[in-house]
Amino acid sequence: DIVMTQSPLSLPVTPGEPASISCRSSQSLLHSDGYNYLDWYLQKPGQSPQLLIYLTSNRASGVPDRFSGSGSGTDFTLKISRVEAEDVGVYYCMQPLQSPPLTFGQGTRLEIK
Amino acid sequence: EVQLVESGGGLVQPGGSLRLSCAASGFLFATYEINWIRQAPGKGLEGVSYISSHGANIHYADSVKGRFTISRDNAKNSVYLQMNSLRAEDTGVYYCARGGKWVGSYQYFGMDVWGQGTTVTVSS
Repeated sequence: DIVMTQSPLSLPVTPGEPASISCRSSQSLLHSDGYNYLDWYLQKPGQSPQLLIYLTSNRASGVPDRFSGSGSGTDFTLKISRVEAEDVGVYYCMQPLQSPPLTFGQGTRLEIK
Repeated sequence: EVQLVESGGGLVQPGGSLRLSCAASGFLFATYEINWIRQAPGKGLEGVSYISSHGANIHYADSVKGRFTISRDNAKNSVYLQMNSLRAEDTGVYYCARGGKWVGSYQYFGMDVWGQGTTVTVSS
């Protein structure tokens, strides 16, 4: 089974400052089609998770360009260039590449200082 | 409007059964994979089950294998999760989410549509 490990698990950030979350997978997420199958999701308080980034670096529709994703193989990063109050919530990385279906990281709770 | 709506959750005793439904609208349902993901109270997300667009490929998390059964009816734009032999650790919010699609070839744009979730409570 692929294990996803996120760090940090808690991330206090001052508004306007950058933030970065790391995600490491126990196996390579590089598919034969050339894409790294790694997504990022945000679960805001009291809401369903929402897609932020798919295939490592592609922003989902409506996601502000202050969010960016990078990485390859087993090491991935989500960056927020300037954190806003609406960004609070729990961020999850996820791999959809191999069964058992979908493994998520533990989640990183972003809070505003 | 593109949406998924879950239903069927509730309170059930250990060893009991529930059938969850996920109703889709606003998109060509038959071309998309669907996943069930759950979240125990105060915990993270866990992939529970997966079904391909035409139902030929199915996967389960080890924690539910042999107890849960996923199915779909493309004519009714719905996916189902039959949950038997329920345990306290199955308690949580269950979400369905849209995955990749087959249109000649496989296309993946993340799990871009999620339902609002349905709550399952297993307790005596």
